[in-house]
Amino acid sequence: NAGVTQTPKFQVLKTGQSMTLQCAQDMNHNSMYWYRQDPGMGLRLIYYSASEGTTDKGEVPNGYNVSRLNKREFSLRLESAAPSQTSVYFCASGLAGGTDTQYFGPGTRLTVL
Amino acid sequence: GQQLNQSPQSMFIQEGEDVSMNCTSSSIFNTWLWYKQDPGEGPVLLIALYKAGELTSNGRLTAQFGITRKDSFLNISASIPSDVGIYFCAGLRTSGSRLTFGEGTQLTVNP
Repeated sequence: NAGVTQTPKFQVLKTGQSMTLQCAQDMNHNSMYWYRQDPGMGLRLIYYSASEGTTDKGEVPNGYNVSRLNKREFSLRLESAAPSQTSVYFCASGLAGGTDTQYFGPGTRLTVL
Repeated sequence: GQQLNQSPQSMFIQEGEDVSMNCTSSSIFNTWLWYKQDPGEGPVLLIALYKAGELTSNGRLTAQFGITRKDSFLNISASIPSDVGIYFCAGLRTSGSRLTFGEGTQLTVNP
């Protein structure tokens, strides 16, 4: 099993450009999450999906949209990138309804110029 | 939102030394998790704690779920260079709710 995979690994955008970060998991998990990690701020939840067909805002959702395409895939879209969105983005998945222990992907390092 | 206070923020130690770090909150948590993040990688789960007072080990790592349910501790014994990384605590208040993460402890181990 690959676990949680993310693409791309690195990306540089200009202000105003759009892009979609892809995430897939092969652990048959119900819940999936998108976090951003900034220096000194730990991990902050952007959006999550408790189950296929549902999505909810997390702590810092502004400037982002998500799509739970199916049980395996959860994408994060930046419609108009801003320098404040320069960060490392992590996707995670977990078994909702239980302990909700989450398993993380390797991350996408995004720079917005 | 909920806050987890993790300390220390960073540690610089010599190989072979023991390490202790902790996480505290003003709220009660039902589950505590400890993750390690290697440079350039995503966090990896080290230990999960589900009951107040629980003490769980994973090799040289030992974590405890505080009796008050408002704190948790992680100890690393006889540190080695590959212990370098950022250690995060995370708490879960109720089953199915969202995890709250601490800000991380950056550990550096000098050979």
